Amino acid sequence: DAGVIQSPRHEVTEMGQEVTLRCKPISGHNSLFWYRQTMMRGLELLIYFNNNVPIDDSGMPEDRFSAKMPNASFSTLKIQPSEPRDSAVYFCASSLETTDTQYFGPGTRLTVL
Amino acid sequence: QQQVKQSPQSLIVQKGGISIINCAYENTAFDYFPWYQQFPGKGPALLIAIRPDVSEKKEGRFTISFNKSAKQFSLHIMDSQPGDSATYFCAASISSALSNTGNQFYFGTGTSLTVIP
Repeated sequence: DAGVIQSPRHEVTEMGQEVTLRCKPISGHNSLFWYRQTMMRGLELLIYFNNNVPIDDSGMPEDRFSAKMPNASFSTLKIQPSEPRDSAVYFCASSLETTDTQYFGPGTRLTVL
Repeated sequence: QQQVKQSPQSLIVQKGGISIINCAYENTAFDYFPWYQQFPGKGPALLIAIRPDVSEKKEGRFTISFNKSAKQFSLHIMDSQPGDSATYFCAASISSALSNTGNQFYFGTGTSLTVIP
């Protein structure tokens, strides 16, 4: 299996621009998680889906952030408009409902200038 | 509110020494406690995990000690090697066997381990 796939791996954009991060979970996994990692705040859960349905989005910082999971094999995290404080590494992880292990992707390093 | 508290923030150990990282939690409903290892530029990867029905789990040089009454668990790395230098995260969750909406992890803040040759 290819593991969790994230794209792009690096993104540099200017303040005010729209940013879309993409994730393909491991085939067959039915839970998907979006995390943000910074030096100051560590690893934060932003939102997670179970069977394509958002379960908990309480970690989403503000209305500029939105996430979708239109089908079992694809999810997006969108930031519009982006701000310099959004600069971080964003991870996607997936898991199988009958097990507890979360498998992380390689992350997207976002830099907002 | 931090559901899982982890210490220390950073740790420097000599090669061959023992590395110990501690975590504490409050929610007694948690029943799954994994440790994740993260190398620079990579995503976290599961290292070892324990459930509260046992007090210790060992896999090679890595051991989790679990104290249910104290609501604490720790990772011990025996014979630490320079290749163990990484960031370690503890986490806690209500396992998917008890939740019908997936298993949300509550991560600690991480410990940066450096093993000096």
